[in-house]
Amino acid sequence: NAGVTQTPKFQVLKTGQSMTLQCAQDMNHNSMYWYRQDPGMGLRLIYYSASEGTTDKGEVPNGYNVSRLNKREFSLRLESAAPSQTSVYFCASSEESRVIISPLHFGNGTRLTVT
Amino acid sequence: AQKVTQAQTEISVVEKEDVTLDCVYETRDTTYYLFWYKQPPSGELVFLIRRNSFDEQNEISGRYSWNFQKSTSSFNFTITASQVVDSAVYFCALSGPIDGFSGGYNKLIFGAGTRLAVHP
Repeated sequence: NAGVTQTPKFQVLKTGQSMTLQCAQDMNHNSMYWYRQDPGMGLRLIYYSASEGTTDKGEVPNGYNVSRLNKREFSLRLESAAPSQTSVYFCASSEESRVIISPLHFGNGTRLTVT
Repeated sequence: AQKVTQAQTEISVVEKEDVTLDCVYETRDTTYYLFWYKQPPSGELVFLIRRNSFDEQNEISGRYSWNFQKSTSSFNFTITASQVVDSAVYFCALSGPIDGFSGGYNKLIFGAGTRLAVHP
């Protein structure tokens, strides 16, 4: 089925370990996003990529890096995981590169626990 | 700065009751878009509706209806005759410009969500 695919679905890390969350979309969308979801805080934007070849910080970028590998793929890397990064991570994509008019399409999320 | 407030953290109703989820937003822009998303217990985010700032007509889709009022900066969501399958977290979101960035790009700003529990 067409959509946004995230891997892995679950991950447990120890403090200081690194990992990369993978995201791919097959809808030919221009923009891609990484959000984190924490209880009582809704979804907060970590990084976004308005178009292939560009990335920029969102509301909570500290401790993360991203790579827009090509139009389809947008990865999120935690270089040295901390317990504060325990969260559910969502990747999303949208058609537009400048103004969000169409709804975002979300992946199913990655539940990350850092001990 | 843009902001979305969903003051109701949790709502509990009995099946067949009507329930309204409140959403209040702040923006300085004249053109913006508002969204509602549903997150059922399975965790995925499901798009429900989009409304642009120039269209204040209320919308009805089955048991769902939305009341957009620019005068009060609100975009409330009502479920009529609620069902157990409506149990979920509901998010209101605003499409607004990125703070401090002049390139015209937008981001989707979410409220904290309202958890709705519908009991049989």
